[in-house]
Amino acid sequence: DAGITQSPRYKITETGRQVTLMCHQTWSHSYMFWYRQDLGHGLRLIYYSAAADITDKGEVPDGYVVSRSKTENFPLTLESATRSQTSVYFCASRDPGQKNVFFGQGTRLTVV
Amino acid sequence: DQQVKQNSPSLSVQEGRISILNCDYTNSMFDYFLWYKKYPAEGPTFLISISSIKDKNEDGRFTVFLNKSAKHLSLHIVPSQPGDSAVYFCAASAETNAGKSTFGDGTTLTVKP
Repeated sequence: DAGITQSPRYKITETGRQVTLMCHQTWSHSYMFWYRQDLGHGLRLIYYSAAADITDKGEVPDGYVVSRSKTENFPLTLESATRSQTSVYFCASRDPGQKNVFFGQGTRLTVV
Repeated sequence: DQQVKQNSPSLSVQEGRISILNCDYTNSMFDYFLWYKKYPAEGPTFLISISSIKDKNEDGRFTVFLNKSAKHLSLHIVPSQPGDSAVYFCAASAETNAGKSTFGDGTTLTVKP
């Protein structure tokens, strides 16, 4: 499928488990981002990447790990999930010349 | 300290009337502003944007106004349609911050038929 896709769409995990959220884009955009959206709040930046093998922290990076070995993929890993990480996670991408980003459909993660 | 604020969590308007969504920011380094629209169970989609060198940008029914001195922007939708019912996020970015966007909490717009 063309565009940006996230998997899974829904995930329930237990406290302390490691979980990885996947993000794949077909545009070859150099920039990719991970945001979380908590109920009634806006999107907060977790991590971003300017290119393959280049990643940097956003506003709320604690408890998360990212990697970017290929331009098209940007997985987000919760090393040891906590209830406070229950949220909807959005992946996004853009080209350097663009200002707006393109979002995936989101992953709703529940940590019990 | 929230740098981008949307003080109205919700707004309800009648079909055909004007919808005005407001956004305030505190960081004077922001030089580009965007509005995104989000339907339930979908990711946000880009709607319209404005550079800090302009005070107005128009795209069909959607117009964004920027008042730099007041650090305020607004999105006008005229005429409003039921399909416009969604959550609208204001976002701001600064070239000095790698163009990363800071988002407001969103305003839920309901357009009644």
